[in-house]
Amino acid sequence: NAGVTQTPKFQVLKTGQSMTLQCAQDMNHNSMYWYRQDPGMGLRLIYYSASEGTTDKGEVPNGYNVSRLNKREFSLRLESAAPSQTSVYFCASREQGSVSYEQYFGPGTRLTVT
Amino acid sequence: AQSVAQPEDQVNVAEGNPLTVKCTYSVSGNPYLFWYVQYPNRGLQFLLKYITGDNLVKGSYGFEAEFNKSQTSFHLKKPSALVSDSALYFCAVRAPSGGGNKLTFGTGTQLKVEL
Repeated sequence: NAGVTQTPKFQVLKTGQSMTLQCAQDMNHNSMYWYRQDPGMGLRLIYYSASEGTTDKGEVPNGYNVSRLNKREFSLRLESAAPSQTSVYFCASREQGSVSYEQYFGPGTRLTVT
Repeated sequence: AQSVAQPEDQVNVAEGNPLTVKCTYSVSGNPYLFWYVQYPNRGLQFLLKYITGDNLVKGSYGFEAEFNKSQTSFHLKKPSALVSDSALYFCAVRAPSGGGNKLTFGTGTQLKVEL
């Protein structure tokens, strides 16, 4: 049981390039989330998917798109990367309807945009 | 809108001493409160939560937290700190209904436990 996995672990992009960050979970969770972590700002929600087939904007969605490919996978796409998107990106999942409510996090993707 | 404040960027404690990491929150209704820990180059790990019931909740690795509704606080505590507790700690809050179960995180507190 791998939990939440993310690929790649590290990525360097030039301004204007595009890329997709991949996330998968094997816990049969319904809800999935994408966060970015920046020094002194904590974690900020980019997009989330409450269930397969639905996605919603979080606190900082500009410059990003997401796809909930199936129940397991939730990808984050940067269409035209900007230096302001240099950050560590975390994917998380949660079991909908669970009384536990806690989210389970992946190991993160460290992205640098030059 | 819900929010979380962690007033200390860093807390330094000697090993064996008690530690406290502070958190205050703002949310409509009764809050769901969480503590997460992040070790270097790792994702966040769940430590403990308060949903309802006893104001003192116990979690992983000997940590506990006290919910204080009148002070809107949820401070993380441990009676005897270990060097291995050194990490980045995040407090988070969730509104009791709606909003896609979104968590709002604080900015984090770096805990440093020294010999």
